Amino acid sequence: AQSVTQLGSHVSVSEGALVLLRCNYSSSVPPYLFWYVQYPNQGLQLLLKYTTGATLVKGINGFEAEFKKSETSFHLTKPSAHMSDAAEYFCAVSDLSGYSTLTFGKGTMLLVSP
Amino acid sequence: ETGVTQTPRHLVMGMTNKKSLKCEQHLGHNAMYWYKQSAKKPLELMFVYSLEERVENNSVPSRFSPECPNSSHLFLHLHTLQPEDSALYLCASSQTANTEAFFGQGTRLTVV
Repeated sequence: AQSVTQLGSHVSVSEGALVLLRCNYSSSVPPYLFWYVQYPNQGLQLLLKYTTGATLVKGINGFEAEFKKSETSFHLTKPSAHMSDAAEYFCAVSDLSGYSTLTFGKGTMLLVSP
Repeated sequence: ETGVTQTPRHLVMGMTNKKSLKCEQHLGHNAMYWYKQSAKKPLELMFVYSLEERVENNSVPSRFSPECPNSSHLFLHLHTLQPEDSALYLCASSQTANTEAFFGQGTRLTVV
């Protein structure tokens, strides 16, 4: 079985500050990992994904995440927060079965203040 | 035109009503999914269809009935729902294993 833990249901940063959203996973097989963003009353949009290869992956809107197998982590970062980054962020893991059944974390709401 | 389109965006229904949610994907994907998103709970996978065959049903009550007539369309038929079924219902699609899922904008369902 696989699971995802996102530390902190809410994270508050000031505009221009570093964004760090934490994600830890458990999986019995090498995982594929994803970060999604959800704006109010919208669906989920893929930010970035890790499948194989380079452990530091870059995504849209200046976000990046690093896969650390020894720590079973896939934290999401952005050097400088923008007001438009305020949204809910979901980490997810895939079990690599014949269809991508994603297991999601509970989500972290990012609040950005001026 | 978005890749995955859901209709309606909002739905209010009584507990004795019958309604259907519709999802259409324009991405040529082979798998489609229904997820339920409730307040303060993780996203819950409800149903998975791969090549129009249902491959997963995560203990979803029978008052939810999915239908996948072809690889581009997915429906969720609703009947005799309960107020606790009020949630955002998200449809998604993916090409194959090892590829990400693309989500629609969701249907906000309120059961009164």
